[in-house]
Amino acid sequence: SQQGEEDPQALSIQEGENATMNCSYKTSINNLQWYRQNSGRGLVHLILIRSNEREKHSGRLRVTLDTSKKSSSLLITASRAADTASYFCATDANDYKLSFGAGTTVTVRA
Amino acid sequence: EPEVTQTPSHQVTQMGQEVILRCVPISNHLYFYWYRQILGQKVEFLVSFYNNEISEKSEIFDDQFSVERPDGSNFTLKIRSTKLEDSAMYFCASKVAVGPGEQYFGPGTRLTVT
Repeated sequence: SQQGEEDPQALSIQEGENATMNCSYKTSINNLQWYRQNSGRGLVHLILIRSNEREKHSGRLRVTLDTSKKSSSLLITASRAADTASYFCATDANDYKLSFGAGTTVTVRA
Repeated sequence: EPEVTQTPSHQVTQMGQEVILRCVPISNHLYFYWYRQILGQKVEFLVSFYNNEISEKSEIFDDQFSVERPDGSNFTLKIRSTKLEDSAMYFCASKVAVGPGEQYFGPGTRLTVT
């Protein structure tokens, strides 16, 4: 299966703390993307990392990719209440579709 | 900022009825997608569409499903005879060009089949 699988399934942290979630996948990819979904809403693209990249930053987000281990991590630094959402990794193998994982639900406590 | 729009936001239909879900992708985008998310489950790919034809489809996208780009702006998903298990959130997405890139998702249509 191409799908990513996130770990942990759920994460509860205090505002200001960092949140780290991981994604593993099974086959070769062109790129890996992270999306955020607020409850009952659409998916918002956060960051894309290509297969030849190892790390990427965007604001408070840091993504790493280890293609030898077929895994990626998303770090959110200095979390805020507004970061409360579900986070999904999605693998892109052929530019025709994204394969999503089950997601990590992050709750940031004030 | 341009965005993908979807209508309706919520559709309730009876089993066996036909439904059409509508999407307006971002105007200069060339690739279009439908995904669905059954409540509490992961987002699943249904179909991708480029140059007025299907590029790829999943096992879910059987003969009951069809897609169409009837004009220069709309992209539709039709389910001919809905089943209870078709109840889900359906997301449309678009991408500007071939190659790696962000897919822009619409807010979704919640389909409830009774």
